[in-house]
Amino acid sequence: KAGVTQTPRYLIKTRGQQVTLSCSPISGHRSVSWYQQTPGQGLQFLFEYFSETQRNKGNFPGRFSGRQFSNSRSEMNVSTLELGDSALYLCASARLRQGKGLAGGEQFFGPGTRLTVL
Amino acid sequence: KQEVTQIPAALSVPEGENLVLNCSFTDSAIYNLQWFRQDPGKGLTSLLLIQSSQREQTSGRLNASLDKSSGRSTLYIAASQPGDSATYLCAVVYGGSQGNLIFGKGTKLSVKP
Repeated sequence: KAGVTQTPRYLIKTRGQQVTLSCSPISGHRSVSWYQQTPGQGLQFLFEYFSETQRNKGNFPGRFSGRQFSNSRSEMNVSTLELGDSALYLCASARLRQGKGLAGGEQFFGPGTRLTVL
Repeated sequence: KQEVTQIPAALSVPEGENLVLNCSFTDSAIYNLQWFRQDPGKGLTSLLLIQSSQREQTSGRLNASLDKSSGRSTLYIAASQPGDSATYLCAVVYGGSQGNLIFGKGTKLSVKP
């Protein structure tokens, strides 16, 4: 069974640009979450999508947004990039039933996208 | 504030040793706790998931315990091998939260041959 896949694996952008990252969850998983990992802050939750709806959101500015498609694939977008956005962006998927939150579900992570902002 | 703490930040042991990694959390009302492994520059590999109603989980040479009353979890690795070298992360889903994982900063383990 294929794991969570993320594309691209590496990105280099300049300040002010925007970027779109993609995540394909494990087959049958309908929940997709996004996390940012930096050396200083560690892993921080960005948002979670289930059945094309954003259910949960972390404490990040509005420049960070996302969406989920009918096939559960998800994209996240960062606009007006800042140097501090340089990080490893990780996507996680979980098999959850409609109406159930993330609580109780095991989450599986992809390899991440390494974003460097110059 | 709901936090997760992992001590020590780094650990170096000789091959073959049994070792324990520690994780503490600030609120005993949790839904579950998950242990991950992260190799340099890579994503997270799920090792063990412990639900709030469970006391421990085992997988191969790994055993994770959960004590909600003291706000602690331990990951026990038996007969360590150089291939176990990685950063180990503990993450908690707190009760009443949005359901997202709250991560510790991790313990970087080095197993010397």
